[in-house]
Amino acid sequence: GAVVSQHPSWVICKSGTSVKIECRSLDFQATTMFWYRQFPKQSLMLMATSNEGSKATYEQGVEKDKFLINHASLTLSTLTVTSAHPEDSSFYICSAKGTSSLREMNEQFFGPGTRLTVL
Amino acid sequence: DAKTTQPTSMDCAEGRAANLPCNHSTISGNEYVYWYRQIHSQGPQYIIHGLKNNETNEMASLIITEDRKSSTLILPHATLRDTAVYYCIVRSHMRFGAGTRLTVKP
Repeated sequence: GAVVSQHPSWVICKSGTSVKIECRSLDFQATTMFWYRQFPKQSLMLMATSNEGSKATYEQGVEKDKFLINHASLTLSTLTVTSAHPEDSSFYICSAKGTSSLREMNEQFFGPGTRLTVL
Repeated sequence: DAKTTQPTSMDCAEGRAANLPCNHSTISGNEYVYWYRQIHSQGPQYIIHGLKNNETNEMASLIITEDRKSSTLILPHATLRDTAVYYCIVRSHMRFGAGTRLTVKP
């Protein structure tokens, strides 16, 4: 299957700072990327959907000014958590779907996740 | 958007078939059913998907009822490494429910 990577895999930051998380599709062009957040013992919660070259669509209750999403290329999307606070500590997961040179991709492939801890 | 409901947890003996049900009674005609699983602290892993017909791949089989209101994921010979949370998702929105925590026991 297609590969989606995330960087960093974990990050610890101080309260009030900003953190950027990268999501890359390694062997296909991701026309759409999704960002999820997962708290301990809970399911994944969709935060936003982004299409390459356009603004992200945020889910209800997700602050777009706090969680900045950029999908500037077909292989890279970034999530920036601005002015992070301890309650933003969570497991952030991206996923991507798109097309490849081999086949039309209907599946959505997930990255390994980034664990953010805000002190 | 169609919602899905799954049992909270299930146990299965190693080597036996694991049958995980999912209800999606409000699914519309062009919505696919997708199954993913998540092993602790990892990103979800794609398993299988289907629209109307039953599907099989190297990981699992997917049985979809004729009215498409429910489906069953079958792991034919469960191993300890299949212990995970299994999510059934309707394609259009990719929102995750609580999933089923499958525990495969020796």
